[in-house]
Amino acid sequence: DTAVSQTPKYLVTQMGNDKSIKCEQNLGHDTMYWYKQDSKKFLKIMFSYNNKELIINETVPNRFSPKSPDKAHLNLHINSLELGDSAVYFCASSQGGQGRNEQFFGPGTRLTVL
Amino acid sequence: AQTVTQSQPEMSVQEAETVTLSCTYDTSENNYYLFWYKQPPSRQMILVIRQEAYKQQNATENRFSVNFQKAAKSFSLKISDSQLGDTAMYFCAWRGRSGGSNYKLTFGKGTLLTVNP
Repeated sequence: DTAVSQTPKYLVTQMGNDKSIKCEQNLGHDTMYWYKQDSKKFLKIMFSYNNKELIINETVPNRFSPKSPDKAHLNLHINSLELGDSAVYFCASSQGGQGRNEQFFGPGTRLTVL
Repeated sequence: AQTVTQSQPEMSVQEAETVTLSCTYDTSENNYYLFWYKQPPSRQMILVIRQEAYKQQNATENRFSVNFQKAAKSFSLKISDSQLGDTAMYFCAWRGRSGGSNYKLTFGKGTLLTVNP
């Protein structure tokens, strides 16, 4: 029973296209995140949502638009894909903003832009 | 802004031996949390251990323990009796308690640990 799931796991697309990555968690958490892991494995926060409200937008280009239809879902839509968008994107969730609460990560989506 | 530094890009250890991974961080906050995450070749991010900054006692989880030195802003991970399954990228991470810093993890660049048979 997957706690945090992402679809698709792999995404290969052409420059200029628009694509979406979906994330769902079944842990009953109220906070969800998107992280980007670049080719050097560096992980950086992109967005945080708490109770469907945007809390953090970490200087991400506005081609990236997260959407949280409910507390269990946080989708990431990317417009006009660029070569530099190639990365692994991780969704995560936790209960609230309490710092001690573990963030549970999804399996990641490897996006390759050609 | 908070920063997390892992100065060892790669390390290797023989099976059954002990290895220590280093992590330092910079923050002006007094209360925060520190984590070690493991990322094996499967890509899955797995929490290894966490430390609450207001607790002086070092956290331990089975073969994993930390050496937390708050004044020095140092948070190292010790893995005892290393196993082949410990081969992974290890990330040190910081999280605040309020003001937005509690809604994200700030990661170091990672240390690739290889356990040799």
